[in-house]
Amino acid sequence: GAVVSQHPSRVICKSGTSVKIECRSLDFQATTMFWYRQFPKQSLMLMATSNEGSKATYEQGVEKDKFLINHASLTLSTLTVTSAHPEDSSFYICSARETLLETQYFGPGTRLLVL
Amino acid sequence: DAKTTQPPSMDCAEGRAANLPCNHSTISGNEYVYWYRQIHSQGPQYIIHGLKNNETNEMASLIITEDRKSSTLILPHATLRDTAVYYCIVKGRGSTLGRLYFGRGTQLTVWP
Repeated sequence: GAVVSQHPSRVICKSGTSVKIECRSLDFQATTMFWYRQFPKQSLMLMATSNEGSKATYEQGVEKDKFLINHASLTLSTLTVTSAHPEDSSFYICSARETLLETQYFGPGTRLLVL
Repeated sequence: DAKTTQPPSMDCAEGRAANLPCNHSTISGNEYVYWYRQIHSQGPQYIIHGLKNNETNEMASLIITEDRKSSTLILPHATLRDTAVYYCIVKGRGSTLGRLYFGRGTQLTVWP
C-alpha cells in the first residue's frame, strides 16, 4: 500500500510553545490530507481536512486558530499546534487520500506531550 | 455517511479464521464499506473495501450480504500480529471529500 510518513514521531514541549507536525505522502500525490486526534482508549477524531492550495476545513469544535494547517504541496501537509497546553497532549495522526482509489492511507502518528 | 455497529471485542485462536461482523443497515446505494485496523500506538492500516461484491486481497476477505446491510471481514489464518482494533466504516465515493469518521471498532485479540 501507499506510504505516509509523519515527523516527529514524538515531541515533548513546554506549555505555551508551538509545535509543528509534518505529514508526507511518499509515493503518491495527495490533493487531500486529513488530521485526526486520538486520546487514550478512545477512537480517532477527525479534526480537519487539508486541501492542497486552499484553506483547511475544520470539524465542529476544532479551533482553526489553534490548529494551523498548511498544505502547500501535493505531498506535504503540516499541522501546527499553537500555544500548546497540557490538554493538547494527544496522539495526532494524519492521512492522505489516494485520488484514484479514493482510499486513505495513514501516517504512523505523532505523540505530543505538553508539560 | 451511514453509521456502523460492531461488537466491542472478540477473541480468536492463532491459526484459526477471525470473522469480524459489521452492521450498516442504513447504507445507501453508492456507499462503500471500508475496513481499517489499528495496532496499539500506531496509525490505522487500510485493509480492504467493497461495494456489493465480495472482495479478497492478501490481507483479508470481505463478505457483503446481498442486501448490503451487513458485512464480515475474514482474516483466514489469524496470527498474534493481527491483534488490533478493527474499524468498519461506510463512506460514499466522492462524498464528504473523503472524510472518514471512526466508531469504536472491535478489539480483536488473537491468543496463542
